[in-house]
Amino acid sequence: GNSVTQMEGPVTLSEEAFLTINCTYTATGYPSLFWYVQYPGEGLQLLLKATKADDKGSNKGFEATYRKETTSFHLEKGSVQVSDSAVYFCALRHNAGNNRKLIWGLGTSLAVNP
Amino acid sequence: EAGVAQSPRYKIIEKRQSVAFWCNPISGHATLYWYQQILGQGPKLLIQFQNNGVVDDSQLPKDRFSAERLKGVDSTLKIQPAKLEDSAVYLCASSPLGRVESPLHFGNGTRLTVT
Repeated sequence: GNSVTQMEGPVTLSEEAFLTINCTYTATGYPSLFWYVQYPGEGLQLLLKATKADDKGSNKGFEATYRKETTSFHLEKGSVQVSDSAVYFCALRHNAGNNRKLIWGLGTSLAVNP
Repeated sequence: EAGVAQSPRYKIIEKRQSVAFWCNPISGHATLYWYQQILGQGPKLLIQFQNNGVVDDSQLPKDRFSAERLKGVDSTLKIQPAKLEDSAVYLCASSPLGRVESPLHFGNGTRLTVT
């Protein structure tokens, strides 16, 4: 079945460090891929998405490229800020079936120290 | 546009009591979701509505949980009776109908503590 695997956290970085959070998926066909972010005490919000192979999603300095050959959607940011401290969730959504359920990773907690 | 509204923000109850959560989705969004998020875990889908019909409730513990979506807009999720393991954040989300790449829009959630 469909699944999403994220690197385990917590990830702790210093401000301005480079960030990579790995995400790989298992799915048939061509799902849409998403990164959601959850700031402390808040609900999830979409960070970026990609809908087909080789697409690059980007937002707020974060990027992720849909790699069909490696079934990956790794999240990267060149220089993190304290305000990026949050939990990051990778997710996929298949375009087959009536409910098109989002399949979630377990989340990766990021703490950025000044 | 106004976001997904949820209330209450926090709720503390004793086990075996009942509780209800309310959600008002983004205007025009046909699909509404209720998720349960236990601390340190990803969200777990409890129920998905499309307009006022249930699309998926396969993970809803139907012996104690119930949900309805009146007139295809607002929704309530009820737990009766609550158990200790129901302590979690309950997230409501909505999305437009039809496009798989459309993201879900989440509310801030209701944090439930069962003592």
